[in-house]
Amino acid sequence: QTVVTQEPSLTVSPGGTVTLTCASNTGAVTSDYHPNWFQQKPGLAPRALTYDTSKKHSWTPARFSGSLLGGKAALTLSGAQPEDEAEYYCLLFYGGIQRAFGGGTKLTVL
Amino acid sequence: EVQLVESGGALIQPGGSLRLSCTASGFSLNNYVMNWVRQAPGKGLEWVSVMFSGGGTYYPDSVKGRFTISRDDSKNTLYLHMNNLRAEDTAIYYCARDHDWSYDLWGQGTLVTVSS
Repeated sequence: QTVVTQEPSLTVSPGGTVTLTCASNTGAVTSDYHPNWFQQKPGLAPRALTYDTSKKHSWTPARFSGSLLGGKAALTLSGAQPEDEAEYYCLLFYGGIQRAFGGGTKLTVL
Repeated sequence: EVQLVESGGALIQPGGSLRLSCTASGFSLNNYVMNWVRQAPGKGLEWVSVMFSGGGTYYPDSVKGRFTISRDDSKNTLYLHMNNLRAEDTAIYYCARDHDWSYDLWGQGTLVTVSS
């Protein structure tokens, strides 16, 4: 059974930088897992931020960037804003068929 | 406008069945990979099923044999047929479009509550 692990919670200061990570119990996360990152605020559907490791959608703020870091997928937020306080989820693709979400990271901007 | 709208959520007794719908507008479902994703109250996201444009379907072990994803191209609608429902199936169910390795479009979700 695939298990995707994220930090349960992180805190960043306004204007600061924070990196969220996403690990797989199957081994190192590579570009073959096509990592996605989503932001979710209370009562709303998830919103896609980055995909296929580092690609951004047209609506993704420039301060968010996706990458691979030390065998994990990573989402870096540079210049945190109060409105970035939310839950963040990663998604990994396994063999193009199975998919699995991470447990989510609650990001506090304080 | 390009959007997905889910419907069909309800309060259902354990062991019951339910069919959820996801109607697309602004694009043709059969040109994309489509997914169902659920979120239990206060919990994280869980992938529930995928349907490829060619019709292939896959499920995680948690719902395999109980849930079936299907599509009606004439209605541009995706379905999730759920049987033998359990309390742990209680969740908001979202449909999501998968385009170029991106879940780029999500519906607003529909709530399924399994309780006696």
